[in-house]
Amino acid sequence: QSVLTQPPSVSAAPGQTVTISCSGSSSNIGNNFVYWYQQLPAAAPRLLIYDYSRRPSGIPDRFSGSKSGTSVTLAITGLQTADEADYYCQTWDTSLNIVVFGGGTKLTVL
Amino acid sequence: QVQLVESGGGLVKPGGSLRLSCGGSGFTFSDYYVTWVRQAPGKGLEWVSYISSRGDTIFYADTVKGRFSISRDNAKNSVFLQMDGLRVEDTATYYCARGGWVYKMDVWGQGTTVTVSS
Repeated sequence: QSVLTQPPSVSAAPGQTVTISCSGSSSNIGNNFVYWYQQLPAAAPRLLIYDYSRRPSGIPDRFSGSKSGTSVTLAITGLQTADEADYYCQTWDTSLNIVVFGGGTKLTVL
Repeated sequence: QVQLVESGGGLVKPGGSLRLSCGGSGFTFSDYYVTWVRQAPGKGLEWVSYISSRGDTIFYADTVKGRFSISRDNAKNSVFLQMDGLRVEDTATYYCARGGWVYKMDVWGQGTTVTVSS
């Protein structure tokens, strides 16, 4: 069972918007930066969002991140079939002194 | 270009050992933390260990503590993961990533597969 909680799956049609939530606590999301990673099928993870809402170069602005309290949300607008992947949130847990990942969310673009 | 390349994976019997390597290029390797993350077949990402840029700060997940050992050789732009006392549940693809702890993991290797089976 992951320290960070994500929905196992989400789905939406091409062109629509989908959000993926990630909830934690004050010892992790509440007080530390959160990162989002995208893992395409049979590929290594790729950094998607860092410091809650910033995008590395090359990541389109269709991807955005936000934070509220001890939860963060990844939003993907203008969904494309190429966005079908697993998405993971990640941060550091100050109480446990460990790096923590969410359980991952599988995005299906119908 | 900036990249990390893992090597050293393979098939090993329970109780055996393997040493994984992670080589970096295209950036100043000695400036960065390096983290190992693994992914069991069909499962999510699991943090394993990280090492600071100078190698003076090291942390392990409880699941590998006492069995795995991380080290680095900045002169060779490499980080190593010595895995002893391997268990069936250590079977996974092992990725190294630049960053970790409070730093973003912004560069990932392609992964190396470890299979522990009799």
